[in-house]
Amino acid sequence: KAGVTQTPRYLIKTRGQQVTLSCSPISGHRSVSWYQQTPGQGLQFLFEYFSETQRNKGNFPGRFSGRQFSNSRSEMNVSTLELGDSALYLCASSLDYGTGGFGELFFGEGSRLTVL
Amino acid sequence: DQQVKQNSPSLSVQEGRISILNCDYTNSMFDYFLWYKKYPAEGPTFLISISSIKDKNEDGRFTVFLNKSAKHLSLHIVPSQPGDSAVYFCAALGTGNQFYFGTGTSLTVIP
Repeated sequence: KAGVTQTPRYLIKTRGQQVTLSCSPISGHRSVSWYQQTPGQGLQFLFEYFSETQRNKGNFPGRFSGRQFSNSRSEMNVSTLELGDSALYLCASSLDYGTGGFGELFFGEGSRLTVL
Repeated sequence: DQQVKQNSPSLSVQEGRISILNCDYTNSMFDYFLWYKKYPAEGPTFLISISSIKDKNEDGRFTVFLNKSAKHLSLHIVPSQPGDSAVYFCAALGTGNQFYFGTGTSLTVIP
């Protein structure tokens, strides 16, 4: 079956702009989470959505937001971009581990954002 | 505050030898741990996991050990192969179904 698809794969923005990244989960997966990967910081959790509701949120400023649609597709938005937002943004989908399945995360290839 | 730590950013091992990747965590409430492998330009892929009710889980060349009292887990790869060269992330599942990832260890297996 098709894996997690993220678009765009690469993008360049300038400070102050905003960006929207998209993620299509594996069919049947209703949980979608987002991570930021930067050198030396590993994968930092941004937020997780399930059934169009944000269930968890990491320690990121309010400039980072997201949403999930009824078909489980998700978007994340970063407003007023800063140089430090340059990173690889990874989306992961999983079965709902809240119901007892220890949900393995399936990651997309990521969206590489460069802020100039 | 980094709740999952991988203190070795890099590791080099000869092909055929054992690779040992280490991970420490601070939250005693974590009850499920996973290892992910990441190649450049790809997303991380699941490798192996272990529940806190076990102290060892084995899958082929990969074995994960969990020492709850020390809040430490390790991934052993035996024998190491050049294709194992990648960045390895340790992760823990916390309350609220949130995963906490370490900073990664870059493994290089030398032919």
